[in-house]
Amino acid sequence: AAGVIQSPRHLIKEKRETATLKCYPIPRHDTVYWYQQGPGQDPQFLISFYEKMQSDKGSIPDRFSAQQFSDYHSELNMSSLELGDSALYFCASRGQGGNEQFFGPGTRLTVL
Amino acid sequence: QKEVEQDPGPLSVPEGAIVSLNCTYSNSAFQYFMWYRQYSRKGPELLMYTYSSGNKEDGRFTAQVDKSSKYISLFIRDSQPSDSATYLCAINTGGFKTIFGAGTRLFVKA
Repeated sequence: AAGVIQSPRHLIKEKRETATLKCYPIPRHDTVYWYQQGPGQDPQFLISFYEKMQSDKGSIPDRFSAQQFSDYHSELNMSSLELGDSALYFCASRGQGGNEQFFGPGTRLTVL
Repeated sequence: QKEVEQDPGPLSVPEGAIVSLNCTYSNSAFQYFMWYRQYSRKGPELLMYTYSSGNKEDGRFTAQVDKSSKYISLFIRDSQPSDSATYLCAINTGGFKTIFGAGTRLFVKA
């Protein structure tokens, strides 16, 4: 079965640079979530989109922005990167009428 | 107080043991309960999903929900070394936001 796809899988950036993470949800899933997971921590909710509109906002820094496109894929844009932004970034998608989220493999971002 | 509390462990058991993982929550509006398994550096994998009090069984896994006590459990029977992972409970009100527990690290020794 098709799963959530994230790209890139690994990304190395320097401080103050920008990064763009991409997420392709499971086909026919209309809701996308972004999470940040630091070492040894649980996933921290950043932001979610439903039908291309922001549906909820968590602990997303102002330096980050995200959007969902007409094909339902989503991009997380991160600017002025800081060392503390180094983490695993997960995208999850949810289908219509469902409550379960299905996670992608994650993007490991390293800021040097 | 966090909305979802989960003992981070680590929990170490011998192969074949029954494992009990637990979470408590504070908001009675929570209706949907999930357990995820996460291997190191991998995305969380949905194991169990339930929305009512009682038990739900899937192979060696049983999810239990007690809404009156605001307590959920995941039992793993005949635990295997391949079950060694972090187990996260996740709870949802039916809206867009899902609250995750801190995750319990489980080690099953061969």
